[in-house]
Amino acid sequence: AQKITQTQPGMFVQEKEAVTLDCTYDTSDPSYGLFWYKQPSSGEMIFLIYQGSYDQQNATEGRYSLNFQKARKSANLVISASQLGDSAMYFCAMRERGGQAGTALIFGKGTTLSVSS
Amino acid sequence: NAGVTQTPKFRILKIGQSMTLQCTQDMNHNYMYWYRQDPGMGLKLIYYSVGAGITDKGEVPNGYNVSRSTTEDFPLRLELAAPSQTSVYFCASSPREVSLYEQYFGPGTRLTVT
Repeated sequence: AQKITQTQPGMFVQEKEAVTLDCTYDTSDPSYGLFWYKQPSSGEMIFLIYQGSYDQQNATEGRYSLNFQKARKSANLVISASQLGDSAMYFCAMRERGGQAGTALIFGKGTTLSVSS
Repeated sequence: NAGVTQTPKFRILKIGQSMTLQCTQDMNHNYMYWYRQDPGMGLKLIYYSVGAGITDKGEVPNGYNVSRSTTEDFPLRLELAAPSQTSVYFCASSPREVSLYEQYFGPGTRLTVT
């Protein structure tokens, strides 16, 4: 069963606007981590932000913040003041502490973000 | 400190050929992973390793084999390549089992099977 759901195949935003990329997850493990990665057209995977299931505050990293709503099992990425360089595919991923596969990441299908001037 | 390196960057194979995708990390990480990414999709786990000499299957292991003779290296072997194996392959590593922090990814290998 798919455990990470990203329902927005594509999002469009203008420069300097904020944008929210949605991510919901499903797990029965009380200890887990949620990640967002950026994949530009060049193909590499760039780590953006991490949220632990026991973290009391929402994670922030510069212009990136993670809106973590544990009861709703959602972990939306918020990008403030979008820039042209933010145009990329964005992946939400989860890692379960008790996961069988050596704590490998489980990925969503991704959301393509396009930023226009 | 190079992180995770992968070779080759690109490769075209004919159906039925074999090849090995190389992955090396210099961070002394115990955990290493191979993922594949099909066009427009997220990454799926092929194989993983929790240390030298220990490997196990992920979600999509058919058609692949791995070995882990050293901490640094985790090669992925494709036997009898098929068009369905056309994909981008990412190797990743992480420091320890209990870590819930990021995985470090290599730059990827783009493989086409024709």
